[in-house]
Amino acid sequence: DADVTQTPRNRITKTGKRIMLECSQTKGHDRMYWYRQDPGLGLRLIYYSFDVKDINKGEISDGYSVSRQAQAKFSLSLESAIPNQTALYFCATSVGNSYNEQFFGPGTRLTVL
Amino acid sequence: AQSVAQPEDQVNVAEGNPLTVKCTYSVSGNPYLFWYVQYPNRGLQFLLKYITGDNLVKGSYGFEAEFNKSQTSFHLKKPSALVSDSALYFCAVRVVNTGGFKTIFGAGTRLFVKA
Repeated sequence: DADVTQTPRNRITKTGKRIMLECSQTKGHDRMYWYRQDPGLGLRLIYYSFDVKDINKGEISDGYSVSRQAQAKFSLSLESAIPNQTALYFCATSVGNSYNEQFFGPGTRLTVL
Repeated sequence: AQSVAQPEDQVNVAEGNPLTVKCTYSVSGNPYLFWYVQYPNRGLQFLLKYITGDNLVKGSYGFEAEFNKSQTSFHLKKPSALVSDSALYFCAVRVVNTGGFKTIFGAGTRLFVKA
């Protein structure tokens, strides 16, 4: 969905390096999320934010941090990357109520050597 | 523990035949249920959802899903499969409580439609 963009799309890095993944959206949604996808495990929530001043940990937040710079921007950082953080990372947005669906970005494929 | 199960890693069906992708869940309360589809090198796309009301919900691309409360299932169906339906399908269950909500995704089922 072109309304949710992620940069970079692919990244190869080394163990110990700091990495930032960026997400921007033009949908005007207040809620933003970061997930990682691993084969056979589906999507797991890393962090989520319901507005600019609200940041919450998801089920697998260890080793990650986030920043909600504006309503439209939500960045994910790996302070010191490790190989088991190799995965496909997705940003998603949603609006308002808990019964609304999420809109996903195209994903960032991260490889940590 | 709350969980979502997609018991089949892959479903194979011939073009023109009906297809079913299964999803069962184990959560407390009355969840909201979603299906998403993922095409290669793309993010997940919303297909349909069940919130309340009629147990049969219709969604994008001719897909529908049936909510069965007693069996805690939400199977995705399509009467006539297309080759272009080949993709990875995810069931998701959203549990709402006083502290907020949580979405649990299944592991995904790969649908392969053969011409």
